[in-house]
Amino acid sequence: EAGVVQSPRYKIIEKKQPVAFWCNPISGHNTLYWYRQNLGQGPELLIRYENEEAVDDSQLPKDRFSAERLKGVDSTLKIQPAELGDSAVYLCASSRNAGTGANYGYTFGSGTRLTVV
Amino acid sequence: QKEVEQNSGPLSVPEGAIASLNCTYSDRGSQSFFWYRQYSGKSPELIMFIYSNGDKEDGRFTAQLNKASQYVSLLIRDSQPSDSATYLCAVSPGTGKLIFGQGTTLQVKP
Repeated sequence: EAGVVQSPRYKIIEKKQPVAFWCNPISGHNTLYWYRQNLGQGPELLIRYENEEAVDDSQLPKDRFSAERLKGVDSTLKIQPAELGDSAVYLCASSRNAGTGANYGYTFGSGTRLTVV
Repeated sequence: QKEVEQNSGPLSVPEGAIASLNCTYSDRGSQSFFWYRQYSGKSPELIMFIYSNGDKEDGRFTAQLNKASQYVSLLIRDSQPSDSATYLCAVSPGTGKLIFGQGTTLQVKP
């Protein structure tokens, strides 16, 4: 089975510009997660989707970040406008459901490394 | 206090030795515990999970859980240079969210 697919792998943008990241989860996985990993730190959850519904977005900076998961499959995470502090790796993960993820962990995609200059 | 704490290291061990990685967590209601391995420039890879007190072994890896002490550890026997990576401890409070520590960098020297 194909893993979690993310694109692009790398993105360099100037501050105040918009940027978007795309994620295609493992087929049949209803739960999708977006994490952000700063250099030297562990990943931190930004938002979790159950199908097309965002069920945990408490850590998403809503003034500049937005996300969507149309049709409960692919997801897009957007930042507008980007700030220097947004430089990080953005990781997408999926699990069959939230309970499976909680009990057995989940698989991450390869991530998108964002550099804001 | 951070929810999940790890010593950032680096932890340096000679090839063939046992590497011991430790993690403490603050939420007593945490239910499942995970170890991820992350090579430089790569995404985290799940290597083990545990949810019962005691030991769980998988090949050269042993995860140990002590809920009373809120302590999780990972032992790597017969360490190899290919084990050199950052090891992330993660904890699940049961909501579907994993809370990660900052990771411990392991260096295995030939």
